[in-house]
Amino acid sequence: TQLLEQSPQFLSIQEGENLTVYCNSSSVFSSLQWYRQEPGEGPVLLVTVVTGGEVKKLKRLTFQFGDARKDSSLHITAAQPGDTGLYLCAGSYNYGQNFVFGPGTRLSVLP
Amino acid sequence: KAGVTQTPRYLIKTRGQQVTLSCSPISGHRSVSWYQQTPGQGLQFLFEYFSETQRNKGNFPGRFSGRQFSNSRSEMNVSTLELGDSALYLCASSFWTSGSSYNEQFFGPGTRLTVL
Repeated sequence: TQLLEQSPQFLSIQEGENLTVYCNSSSVFSSLQWYRQEPGEGPVLLVTVVTGGEVKKLKRLTFQFGDARKDSSLHITAAQPGDTGLYLCAGSYNYGQNFVFGPGTRLSVLP
Repeated sequence: KAGVTQTPRYLIKTRGQQVTLSCSPISGHRSVSWYQQTPGQGLQFLFEYFSETQRNKGNFPGRFSGRQFSNSRSEMNVSTLELGDSALYLCASSFWTSGSSYNEQFFGPGTRLTVL
């Protein structure tokens, strides 16, 4: 059974601080997605990483896929209140037919 | 391209009733998945349909069922509602083909179901 763990579960920081959240598994994934979800809305896809060691940047967000494709990290530089939300990682396996989601990291950025 | 749409956005039902939720995927997407999201359990996979066939199924009781139409639109039905069925029900579509090395899911806004 593929399982994804995310840490920390909760994170509350001040505007302007940097942070990193982690997504870990003992399983290998063909790709991994990061989503941000706001209350009462559906998750919004931020990025997909496919190659081991891959690094992708989206403005102040930097995503990294582990070399063994079992883990990933999301780093936010100079966090802003608009970054507040639930960050979910999802691993894809079985040639993209199946997904497993982590429990999420709930981020609160205070002004 | 229009995103994934779900109707209705909000629904209030009483125990014992049944409910049908609808999802229209992104144009060209043939795979539709349904998830239940609750504060305690997070996102839990219900089932996935591809080309009108249920391809994968999560660990939910038979009261939860779904179907997919030839235009890829999908419906989910929950019969004999229980209080614990109160949740945000999310639909996600993806453009998966047999030659794909990876896949991406795009979510709709969800249907908030409250069972009284």
